[in-house]
Amino acid sequence: AQKITQTQPGMFVQEKEAVTLDCTYDTSDPSYGLFWYKQPSSGEMIFLIYQGSYDQQNATEGRYSLNFQKARKSANLVISASQLGDSAMYFCAMTKSGSTLGRLYFGRGTQLTVWP
Amino acid sequence: ETGVTQSPTHLIKTRGQQVTLRCSSQSGHNTVSWYQQALGQGPQFIFQYYREEENGRGNFPPRFSGLQFPNYSSELNVNALELDDSALYLCASSHDRARIAKNIQYFGAGTRLSVL
Repeated sequence: AQKITQTQPGMFVQEKEAVTLDCTYDTSDPSYGLFWYKQPSSGEMIFLIYQGSYDQQNATEGRYSLNFQKARKSANLVISASQLGDSAMYFCAMTKSGSTLGRLYFGRGTQLTVWP
Repeated sequence: ETGVTQSPTHLIKTRGQQVTLRCSSQSGHNTVSWYQQALGQGPQFIFQYYREEENGRGNFPPRFSGLQFPNYSSELNVNALELDDSALYLCASSHDRARIAKNIQYFGAGTRLSVL
C-alpha cells in the first residue's frame, strides 16, 4: 500500500525567507510520481510541482523546488522567498503506475503560516 | 483557475437523505476523480470515471456512486447520508494521454457537505 507521511502539522516562516516542508513516502513500486499541492482556505487544491521516480534531477517550478532523495524515500518541498500569499495547507501526494489513472494518495498536510 | 467547476459550493442535509454533487471537468480532460476530505485530513480517493465508466474505487461503500456524461462532466451521489459523510468533496480532472505516474489532476474548489 502507498503511504505518505507529513510529520509537521504546522510551520512558520518569515516573509522572504525559505522554508522546507517534509514528506516521506512508502511504496514498493519502482514507478511512481510525487506531487505537492497547495490548499488555501477557499478549499481548492492547487498543483505546485511534480517529481517522477525515474527523474534524475530535482524538479523546480519558479519559487518551488522538490528535494528528492530516492534512497531515503523523501520528497521535501522547498519554498524560496516566502510571500504572505503562501500561507495555506500543503499536501504531499503520490501516484503509482496502475489501472487507475493518476489516483492520488495524500498525506495529512502541513499548515504553513508566513508572517511579515 | 483550473477550469474545474463544482456545484453547489455548500450543502446541508439531514441523516438518511440523498445528495448529488456535480463537477465539470477542464476542457479537453476525459477523466474525473472524486475525493473526500474530512476536517483536518488529507483527501481520500472515492472513485474515478473514465470514458463514462468507473475506473477504480477507494474504500467507500456502495452508497457512494457516480456517473460520467459524454461531455466528461460527472456526478457523485451519496445515499442514506451519515453524520461521518460531512466533509469537503473534491473533484479532479485529468487526461489519459499523460503517463500514469505523471497524470496531473486539476481540482475544483469543492463542495462542503454538512450532514445534521
